[in-house]
Amino acid sequence: GENVEQHPSTLSVQEGDSAVIKCTYSDSASNYFPWYKQELGKRPQLIIDIRSNVGEKKDQRIAVTLNKTAKHFSLHITETQPEDSAVYFCAASRGGGATNKLIFGTGTLLAVQP
Amino acid sequence: EADIYQTPRYLVIGTGKKITLECSQTMGHDKMYWYQQDPGMELHLIHYSYGVNSTEKGDLSSESTVSRIRTEHFPLTLESARPSHTSQYLCASSKTELSTDTQYFGPGTRLTVL
Repeated sequence: GENVEQHPSTLSVQEGDSAVIKCTYSDSASNYFPWYKQELGKRPQLIIDIRSNVGEKKDQRIAVTLNKTAKHFSLHITETQPEDSAVYFCAASRGGGATNKLIFGTGTLLAVQP
Repeated sequence: EADIYQTPRYLVIGTGKKITLECSQTMGHDKMYWYQQDPGMELHLIHYSYGVNSTEKGDLSSESTVSRIRTEHFPLTLESARPSHTSQYLCASSKTELSTDTQYFGPGTRLTVL
């Protein structure tokens, strides 16, 4: 089955710097890769996702890149702000299908220092 | 408003008690999931369901049980609570679609067993 590894487990950056979180997956049939943000005491929420037919997707200060050959994808946050502090989870799935489901990474705690 | 609801939000209970954590969704989703999460830690899938009368055990062994009699309702039951069950329990749901398995999470139930 699918296995998703996520690094680093903790990341501390200065406000205004960039942050990068990396994930690798094992199932070459995976084609859907979402990222979730979980603020302290809140539920995980989808912030951006990418499908395997594109290599990069941007939404304001966040972007996700996908390398299908190497089976890894990354979350990039530019101009970090204190409100970006949270736990971030990557995930992967084969996308759709009655019995498919997301497989989550182990999470990255991002701390943005003011 | 379409959402996922969990009750209670907080529960403090004594050892040996039977408890049921409620999860309902008005998203029109067919798949539902239960995760166990310690603060700031990874999401452990403990149960999931692909539809009515379908239930599967997740990756993390759990003494809890679930049922799926109605599409919108996915309760989790602990027959005899123990201190080791102290954790946050997150319910999620998703819709079988052609290319994504995006999950949407409820607000969680924080369980403390004394």
